[in-house]
Amino acid sequence: GQQLNQSPQSMFIQEGEDVSMNCTSSSIFNTWLWYKQDPGEGPVLLIALYKAGELTSNGRLTAQFGITRKDSFLNISASIPSDVGIYFCAGRGNTDKLIFGTGTRLQVFP
Amino acid sequence: EADIYQTPRYLVIGTGKKITLECSQTMGHDKMYWYQQDPGMELHLIHYSYGVNSTEKGDLSSESTVSRIRTEHFPLTLESARPSHTSQYLCASSVGINQPQHFGDGTRLSIL
Repeated sequence: GQQLNQSPQSMFIQEGEDVSMNCTSSSIFNTWLWYKQDPGEGPVLLIALYKAGELTSNGRLTAQFGITRKDSFLNISASIPSDVGIYFCAGRGNTDKLIFGTGTRLQVFP
Repeated sequence: EADIYQTPRYLVIGTGKKITLECSQTMGHDKMYWYQQDPGMELHLIHYSYGVNSTEKGDLSSESTVSRIRTEHFPLTLESARPSHTSQYLCASSVGINQPQHFGDGTRLSIL
């Protein structure tokens, strides 16, 4: 089935550093969503994007809907230990179904 | 935070047993979904419902079945559990088509 390519697969950074991750698709999406999942819990919605070129922030998090509608980016500024977790992108095309990325595992060291 | 609840959180059970995973939401959402997720991997849609008495299969083939008799309740059933069913099962709901989905904390299922 359709799959989103998410990179990087893993990141090991020091507290205070900025983080960037992205998702790319072979097909056009109308919606991009970014979720964070902590161990043993369900994904929690971070940011939702609905228009090409849209740039949206949620605290230290900023996400962008790529102008080609085939990619999206998530940036985290000044990382802190509680940012640790798995970040998933999800895209939606012309149907209601969400396609999830493979996840970016973030580890933050003090 | 979304009010969507899944029980049990963890279940370890023997092969051949019938299992029902519960999912309830208190937000009156019409749209509900079940995903299967292996540890640390992407989520795969296995069932969804757009309202009472409406159920559809998702993109990933699953031997499980679902029902939607009440808006707030969307249980998933495995008639005869097998080790290949071992996984995490996540339930989600949304207020409408093309709206973000909000997830429960999942049921981690282990079949011995």
